[in-house]
Amino acid sequence: KAGVTQTPRYLIKTRGQQVTLSCSPISGHRSVSWYQQTPGQGLQFLFEYFSETQRNKGNFPGRFSGRQFSNSRSEMNVSTLELGDSALYLCASSLQGLAGTDTQYFGPGTRLTVL
Amino acid sequence: AQKVTQAQTEISVVEKEDVTLDCVYETRDTTYYLFWYKQPPSGELVFLIRRNSFDEQNEISGRYSWNFQKSTSSFNFTITASQVVDSAVYFCALYLVGDDKIIFGKGTRLHILP
Repeated sequence: KAGVTQTPRYLIKTRGQQVTLSCSPISGHRSVSWYQQTPGQGLQFLFEYFSETQRNKGNFPGRFSGRQFSNSRSEMNVSTLELGDSALYLCASSLQGLAGTDTQYFGPGTRLTVL
Repeated sequence: AQKVTQAQTEISVVEKEDVTLDCVYETRDTTYYLFWYKQPPSGELVFLIRRNSFDEQNEISGRYSWNFQKSTSSFNFTITASQVVDSAVYFCALYLVGDDKIIFGKGTRLHILP
């Protein structure tokens, strides 16, 4: 079956703009979680959605938001971009979510560069 | 304080050697989950294992094994008979159910030399 897909794979934006990233989970998976990876801060958890509801949220400002659609596809939005938002954004999908017993599957990531 | 410490920033071993990656965590929560992930040079994260705080049973999966000890707040990962394909950055993470947050360690970069 198809894996987790993320679009776009690469993105260049300028400060002050906003961006929307998309994550399509494996068919049948209801949980999508998002992560940010930077050289300075390492891996950080953004949020988790399960059946269209946000279940967990990391320590990020309100500029970072997300949503999940009825087909489990998820989008992440960052408004008023800052240079520090340059990062690899990863999403993962699973059947049961972070506290489940099944495997998480990660997408290839979206590399966002903010100029 | 809640945190995850992976004290080994970088490790190099010769192929076929065994290697243990350390993970020490801090939390006062009683319900939590611990994870290990692998990030090969390609960049895509790979889930390896999840363990909940009520299950201290060690786990073995092929050449991989995990040792969870609540008494020392550690969740160490051992690769037996390492292979070059094991070269990657390995992350340990702590999921605090009550706080709805996940905390990652800084990662250990593992080099397996042929």
